[in-house]
Amino acid sequence: EAQVTQNPRYLITVTGKKLTVTCSQNMNHEYMSWYRQDPGLGLRQIYYSMNVEATDKGDVPEGYKVSRKEKRNFPLILESPSPNQTSLYFCASSLAGRLNQPQHFGDGTRLSIL
Amino acid sequence: TQLLEQSPQFLSIQEGENLTVYCNSSSVFSSLQWYRQEPGEGPVLLVTVVTGGEVKKLKRLTFQFGDARKDSSLHITAAQTGDTGLYLCAGEGMDSNYQLIWGAGTKLIIKP
Repeated sequence: EAQVTQNPRYLITVTGKKLTVTCSQNMNHEYMSWYRQDPGLGLRQIYYSMNVEATDKGDVPEGYKVSRKEKRNFPLILESPSPNQTSLYFCASSLAGRLNQPQHFGDGTRLSIL
Repeated sequence: TQLLEQSPQFLSIQEGENLTVYCNSSSVFSSLQWYRQEPGEGPVLLVTVVTGGEVKKLKRLTFQFGDARKDSSLHITAAQTGDTGLYLCAGEGMDSNYQLIWGAGTKLIIKP
């Protein structure tokens, strides 16, 4: 089954404790991205990647890191989480090229930073 | 900066009624997508429109892209409880920089 898998689905942690949210897709997609979703603000892109070893900042990259060492994986790293990073996070993937390709989303990771 | 404004932000209606939600901008888009998101899940693509004036139908859902490619609408006929969800539009800007531009969404509740 074609899918984007995120882990964990839920995480409650404390300020300053490094965490990683994993994302993996099995569709051989070149393009992957991370979004955060907050009430009333919609989806805001954090980082995106056009292909292996090619990452770029989205609209809200501060406090986040990503890497793309393999085509299928695109982890999101919070080196020193803060309460304002409490949010619902989504990973998405799509075929490369035009942005009118369907974005395939994972089921989300709900992070609470205390 | 290109923006997409969705209206209404929230809509609650009875099953069987018709409704229209809107996605508007002052900028031109190369293409526009509509997604539906249910609680606990990620958004799922419903349709992509690419040509000005284009109309696409998906069962009881009708999507229209404005002639000038600055706006889009989603019309639902005889709404059902299964239509409940958050409807998001996302546009590919003319200077997209490989980033979709997202609206904030319309939260739709269909009451039985």
